Order: sequence, then structure tokens, then C-alpha cells
Amino acid sequence: EPEVTQTPSHQVTQMGQEVILRCVPISNHLYFYWYRQILGQKVEFLVSFYNNEISEKSEIFDDQFSVERPDGSNFTLKIRSTKLEDSAMYFCASSPIAGGNTDTQYFGPGTRLTVL
Amino acid sequence: DQQVKQNSPSLSVQEGRISILNCDYTNSMFDYFLWYKKYPAEGPTFLISISSIKDKNEDGRFTVFLNKSAKHLSLHIVPSQPGDSAVYFCAATGGSNYKLTFGKGTLLTVNP
Repeated sequence: EPEVTQTPSHQVTQMGQEVILRCVPISNHLYFYWYRQILGQKVEFLVSFYNNEISEKSEIFDDQFSVERPDGSNFTLKIRSTKLEDSAMYFCASSPIAGGNTDTQYFGPGTRLTVL
Repeated sequence: DQQVKQNSPSLSVQEGRISILNCDYTNSMFDYFLWYKKYPAEGPTFLISISSIKDKNEDGRFTVFLNKSAKHLSLHIVPSQPGDSAVYFCAATGGSNYKLTFGKGTLLTVNP
């Protein structure tokens, strides 16, 4: 069964460093998302991406964040200058169909980002 | 701003009995609701969903009920099994965007 994959599973970085989190969505999916979950808190939406552009972003997704689909398979989240409060689990998700509110989003296993 | 609320942080049931997980929402624009199951150190796994045009959706042991007037949905698991022990998240989407808004989750423990 196709699944969303994410690398690395755990990333440790120093405050102020740049990190890139990688995701491979399910191959025939068209919508891509990043969410995060700070320890003990709820899963929060960061950004959605369709047709090579951001379709929506939350207030969390400020200028320090960017997303890219550099080729036909990868979807990346870049944090330019990490802060302590960026420490969280970051989940990538994808959904099959563009348009409509009945699309199920399928999540990857997550990347645990630890900022020291 | 808790648009999706799961008021029970935990629930414990005996194997073979029914588990009922509850979820309330406040945003009337939500029209599609999903339940995800999550094990520690893993991503949320899709379980079952329901559109606002329905009031019930069933898939094997899992049934989701939607009461739009009360802005309430529930997930029933019958019979509960120890392997069902996990955190269950309610999520909702609707309007002109497709982002999911999650509840805080309910930790279900099914005791053998």
C-alpha cells in the first residue's frame, strides 16, 4: 500500500541553523501539506501546496519557513534560522484530488526536530 | 481558539466492550470530519471519515456518528481490542480551504 515517507526521522540542530525536512508524498497525490505537533499539544496546520505554489499557510508559517517541490517526487520544508520553539514533530501529508473538501489526507511518520 | 474539542483526554475500556470517543466543533463551515489513530513516534493514521451530508458512516468495527445540530460527532469501536489502544484525533475541514483542524486527542486504553 502506498505511503508517505519522511526523512530524517530525527534531526538535531543548533539554534540559528537551517534545516530541511524531506517528504515523498504518495505518487498520484496532488495536494501536499505540512503540520507540526509540539510535545503535549495538538497537531497544527502549517502550509498546503498545490500546483507548485502555496495554497494556504497559517500564522505559524512566517518568513523563516519555505516549502518546495524540487522534483516530481520530493516535497521539502525549510526552516532558515531555527529557534528553540521550532522543536516539534513535523508531519507531511498528501491527498489525492485537487479541489473539494472530501479528500482524505494521508500522513507520513514524522520528523522529530530538536533545536538546541 | 479550540474549534475542535475532545474533552476527554483519556478513556479506558475492557476488551470486547464498546469504546465511544467524542468530539465537538464550533465552526459551522466544517463539512468533512475525520478520525485518525496515532501510536507513539508514528504519524496519524486515517481511520474513518464522514461528510456533513450524512449522519452515520460505518467501516467494520468503526462507526462515526455526526449530529450537525449539536455540532458533535462520535467514534464507536465495537468490539474494542487491545490493539486499538492509541491516541485518537478528531479532525475537521471545510469552507474554501483544505487544512485539517485537529482536536487534542483522546488516549484510548483497551484492557485485556
